[in-house]
Formats: sequence, structure tokens, C-alpha cells
Amino acid sequence: QVQLQESGPGLVKPSQTLSLTCTVTGDSISSGNYFWSWIRQPAGKGLEWIGRIYTSGTTSYTPSLTSRVTISLDTSKNQFSLTLRSVTAADTAVYYCARGDGNGWFFYWGQGTLVTVSS
Amino acid sequence: DIVMTQSPDSLAVSLGERATITCKSSQSILYSSNNKNYLAWYQQKPGQPPKLLIYWASTRESGVPDRFSGSGSGTDFTLTISSLQAEDVAVYYCQQYYIPTWTFGQGTKVAVK
Repeated sequence: QVQLQESGPGLVKPSQTLSLTCTVTGDSISSGNYFWSWIRQPAGKGLEWIGRIYTSGTTSYTPSLTSRVTISLDTSKNQFSLTLRSVTAADTAVYYCARGDGNGWFFYWGQGTLVTVSS
Repeated sequence: DIVMTQSPDSLAVSLGERATITCKSSQSILYSSNNKNYLAWYQQKPGQPPKLLIYWASTRESGVPDRFSGSGSGTDFTLTISSLQAEDVAVYYCQQYYIPTWTFGQGTKVAVK
């Protein structure tokens, strides 16, 4: 059974960097035709896809965040990570990691982690 | 970006009745070479991550009750719950995966009337 678990600070100060890690169990992030994504959801609002990384290391990001975001793989730890720089209150959200199957849908999701940007 | 617009934002349906949600994309998400629509539907209940219901616009994920069905092509899509059950109360999202930057609809909240 594939499981994903987000981890990282729940509080980040404005202008600083948000860093989250997703630990994957039950699957190897370096095998298979999958991609690994981050998606966020502000309280009471909809889902925003942030970006993805393929097992090859190729990345793609949503245009509105591309200048501030990096997604990377750590195959030795079977983890992938999100880095979001220069955060503001607008970046406060529940952040989900997810595994993408096939051509672009998400079957496996983490439970989500709330990140609040506040001084 | 492809903008996905769902309607309505919310609806209330009596138990056992049909619920219909529409999703419109700002450009066609039908890939002509394989005749597939690059659209998925998800269900999200409070405090939970989304659950995949349908992909390729109409292919039901394994284990999803057959009262859920997806239809449509090109730019206009529909998710239908044929007979609403209490456990179907949730927010439903469509998602396009046609272009490298993927996007979700704003969500439709389904409640019991």
C-alpha cells in the first residue's frame, strides 16, 4: 500500500522560505512511470496545483509560482521536497503531496499539512 | 493556463435524487491523436484529501460506486451522481491534465436538501 506523509514547519515568517518534505512508503520514487506533485488548499478554498517532478527529475510548475518554487527528489530517503521562497500570508494553506499516475491524475495523496505564514 | 470553471458553486439535492455538476474548460482538452479527454474528477470530504473518482472524463476508478458517472468532450463535462446518498455530501473538483501545467476547477459543494 502506497502511503505519503508530509512533514515540515507549521509556521513560517513572511519573506522566509517554506520547506516541506513528503516521505513515500510502499513504493520507490525512483521507479515506475509516475510523477510526484505538491498541491495546496487555502482554508475554505479550492485546490491549487503547485508543480511536479518525474522520476527522471524533470520538473514543471504552475506559472504563478514558478519564480519562487523548487521541487526536488531525494531517492536515497525515498522523499521529495517543496521549497517556496519569499512567502507571504497568501501562501498560508494546507499543503498536500500526491503521486500522479498515468497521464496526470492523482490517486495517492498525503493527509496534508497546514502551513501558516505569520510573524 | 487552462481555466476550469465549475457550476454551480453549490447545490442541494434530496436523498435518492440526481445531482449534476458541470465543468467547462477555457480550451479543448480533447487530444485528437488518441481521442481522449484529459479530465479527472475528485471528491473531497472535510478534513480529508481529495479522492479520485473518474479519469479520462468517463473512466470510473476501481471501487467507486457506479452511481458516479462522467461524461462530456472537448470543453464541456459533467459529473452525475444518479441517486444521492448521505455519504456523497462533499466538495467535487474537476482537473485538467491536458497541458503540462495542470489546473483544478473551483469546486462544487453538494449537500442534502
